[in-house]
Amino acid sequence: AQSVSQHNHHVILSEAASLELGCNYSYGGTVNLFWYVQYPGQHLQLLLKYFSGDPLVKGIKGFEAEFIKSKFSFNLRKPSVQWSDTAEYFCAVKVGSGNTGKLIFGQGTTLQVKP
Amino acid sequence: GAGVSQSPSNKVTEKGKDVELRCDPISGHTALYWYRQSLGQGLEFLIYFQGNSAPDKSGLPSDRFSAERTGGSVSTLTIQRTQQEDSAVYLCASSYEDSRPNQPQHFGDGTRLSIL
Repeated sequence: AQSVSQHNHHVILSEAASLELGCNYSYGGTVNLFWYVQYPGQHLQLLLKYFSGDPLVKGIKGFEAEFIKSKFSFNLRKPSVQWSDTAEYFCAVKVGSGNTGKLIFGQGTTLQVKP
Repeated sequence: GAGVSQSPSNKVTEKGKDVELRCDPISGHTALYWYRQSLGQGLEFLIYFQGNSAPDKSGLPSDRFSAERTGGSVSTLTIQRTQQEDSAVYLCASSYEDSRPNQPQHFGDGTRLSIL
């Protein structure tokens, strides 16, 4: 069965610290991977996505993620976090061929950045 | 532009009652998805409509849950005989469904459902 595992449930960092959130997936088909972010009181927003090509993908607000096929991983990184990055982060894999399909989400990681 | 619109934003009801949740997708988006976000379960897929194809209902937790999509646009998620474990935030998302690659799902603000 398809699944997504996020290793860190709650991360607390000081501003300017570097961030890496782990994500591993289990899916045997063509891999389309996403990171979504949910800021307090707001809806889920797309941070970045991987469909094919360069395994290092860059998203909004200085975030990037690297797809490592051999490790079934898609970790999210940011060199220097800001207080405004406080949010919940979700990794997801799209199941199904074509351009649409359901998303299987990880449990989410709550990031708290201290000013 | 307008995003995915969900109503009501909050719904409190008694156990055993039926509820209907509404989703208006982004104009032009023909794929529509329902998810549920709850403590301890995270974000779970419920059902997915893709154009004129039969919906993927594989995520519906029981036969008390159903959804329909009229006219290829607005969708209604219905929960019959609600139980306390149905309390959650119900999220709707939509996306393009065509040959354009890399189309992400856009999410609404959700309906927070509380069963007393």
